[in-house]
Amino acid sequence: QQQVKQSPQSLIVQKGGISIINCAYENTAFDYFPWYQQFPGKGPALLIAIRPDVSEKKEGRFTISFNKSAKQFSLHIMDSQPGDSATYFCAASKDDYKLSFGAGTTVTVRA
Amino acid sequence: DTAVSQTPKYLVTQMGNDKSIKCEQNLGHDTMYWYKQDSKKFLKIMFSYNNKELIINETVPNRFSPKSPDKAHLNLHINSLELGDSAVYFCASSQVASGGANTQYFGPGTRLTVL
Repeated sequence: QQQVKQSPQSLIVQKGGISIINCAYENTAFDYFPWYQQFPGKGPALLIAIRPDVSEKKEGRFTISFNKSAKQFSLHIMDSQPGDSATYFCAASKDDYKLSFGAGTTVTVRA
Repeated sequence: DTAVSQTPKYLVTQMGNDKSIKCEQNLGHDTMYWYKQDSKKFLKIMFSYNNKELIINETVPNRFSPKSPDKAHLNLHINSLELGDSAVYFCASSQVASGGANTQYFGPGTRLTVL
């Protein structure tokens, strides 16, 4: 069973727009929530990550919003650029070796 | 320098054959992983080794056998290949400290095609 549910499966956004990807989890023991970015033909790479003790983390145009009570977190890509076109995976971990990944969201940014 | 490397990049083989994929990391990490990414891009953990000891062994057919000769290498051997084994296989590594973040570094992947 998938421990992290991710939506949407895909999205298309115009250049300069905002991309929003949502994830939900059930296991309250999770304490680390990373987002990975994967370009075609490449391996996933860590983009940004958050701990449950903060509600928001921003790095450049990428922001994670975290809602502990709702057990949800989301990735916002501001001012989306064609170079952001990739598949994005949310994940969760509970201070052990296993990352539980969401199903992925393919983002296409149209110029 | 490549942090996590895999060979080969592509592997095309016939059903029933046995093949191996090799992985090496030069990050000094003590934990390595094998993932399978299917055609829908879903990433599924298969195995993990910590200091050469198997710590994660998901529900994977026993035709798949990982081997870790040392903590910088984790190889995957697949016996009697089936059509459903066609996928991209990723190796990853991490250094997990107590209370720390499990940041995994992925290799470039091996695309396996079984004909």
